[in-house]
Amino acid sequence: EVQLLESGGGLVQPGGSLRLSCAASGFTFSDYTMSWVRQAPGKGLEWVSAIVSGGGTTYYADSVKGRFTISRDNSKNTLYLQMSSLRADDTAVFYCARGIAPTTSYFLHWGHGTLVTVSS
Amino acid sequence: EIVLTQSPATLSLSPGERATLSCRASQSVGSSLAWYQQRPGQAPRLLIYDASNRATGIPARFSGSGSGTDFTLTISSLEPEDFAVYYCYQRNNWPLTFGGGTKVEIK
Repeated sequence: EVQLLESGGGLVQPGGSLRLSCAASGFTFSDYTMSWVRQAPGKGLEWVSAIVSGGGTTYYADSVKGRFTISRDNSKNTLYLQMSSLRADDTAVFYCARGIAPTTSYFLHWGHGTLVTVSS
Repeated sequence: EIVLTQSPATLSLSPGERATLSCRASQSVGSSLAWYQQRPGQAPRLLIYDASNRATGIPARFSGSGSGTDFTLTISSLEPEDFAVYYCYQRNNWPLTFGGGTKVEIK
């Protein structure tokens, strides 16, 4: 069974940093492109970032480019999102997501999400 | 960035009725479009991918159509568990984008 378990969320002050993790199990993690998707309270879904299987190519939404860094450790089956220069509008539930196929970003599997709150 | 515009924002229907949801892309996405369902407090659920393919385990009452810039999700006969928010999504171009959502509510 595919499982994605996010952690690392919490309360952070504006301008601060936070690192999210997503522990994957039940599939060959190193084969799959992985993404982060977020959802602000009461709002819609926003794709944030993606990283290909080997980690050599990354993609970002314009809203986070230059502030967030996606990475992965295939030896630990873990996906990361390093977030810096956080703003109030970054407050959201952050989901880790995996596609239906290794290079296909149709998100079939989702974690439960981790809440990031940016507030003073 | 490809902008996906969903309409209507809210659809008020009764169980058993047919629901038709629309998604329009600001430029062609070919058939690289998906639909997700999200119930309150839950992660999104993939319903349709490549515009018209049902994901594993999705009931046949859900169907998708369209290509290019205009897409439709149809729920042939609403069940109580179908009242939720629906998002379209494109993977044809980076950055990947979602539509703003359509809420299907009980009339």
